[in-house]
Amino acid sequence: AQSVTQPDIHITVSEGASLELRCNYSYGATPYLFWYVQSPGQGLQLLLKYFSGDTLVQGIKGFEAEFKRSQSSFNLRKPSVHWSDAAEYFCAVATTGNQFYFGTGTSLTVIP
Amino acid sequence: GAGVSQSPSNKVTEKGKDVELRCDPISGHTALYWYRQRLGQGLEFLIYFQGNSAPDKSGLPSDRFSAERTGESVSTLTIQRTQQEDSAVYLCASSLRLAGGSYNEQFFGPGTRLTVL
Repeated sequence: AQSVTQPDIHITVSEGASLELRCNYSYGATPYLFWYVQSPGQGLQLLLKYFSGDTLVQGIKGFEAEFKRSQSSFNLRKPSVHWSDAAEYFCAVATTGNQFYFGTGTSLTVIP
Repeated sequence: GAGVSQSPSNKVTEKGKDVELRCDPISGHTALYWYRQRLGQGLEFLIYFQGNSAPDKSGLPSDRFSAERTGESVSTLTIQRTQQEDSAVYLCASSLRLAGGSYNEQFFGPGTRLTVL
């Protein structure tokens, strides 16, 4: 069965530090992969997506993610975190049947 | 253009009452999804409409939950005889079908916060 795992429930980083949020998926075929961000009281906003091609994808707000098929991972990274990045981050995989599966989310706290 | 809209933004109801939540997807988006997000939790898939095909209802938690969609436009999610455990934010998302049959990312509405007293 398809699934998405975000092993880190909560992460705290200092402003200016680098960030990596982990995402592992389970899906037999080539997945469509997404990262969404949900700020407090806000809806979900797409950060980036991977469909095919270059395994390193760039997104908005300085985020990037790398698809590693051998590890079934799609980790999100940012070289320097800003206080405004504090939010909940969700990884998602879409199947060829257009069903979306979301991880349980990682809550990011940024300390000054 | 306009994004996905949902109404009401907040709904407080008494246990046992029925509620109806509305979603207006982005025009032209053939796919529409409903999710439930309990406090501090991830997104729980409820139902998925894809054009004129039969909806995927596999995520509906009980027969108290139902949803309809009129063509490729508005959708309503109905919860009958609400229970306290139904309290959550209900999110709607729509998606555009790409050439080749796959779908682009989902665009989410702001959600309806349902509180069952």
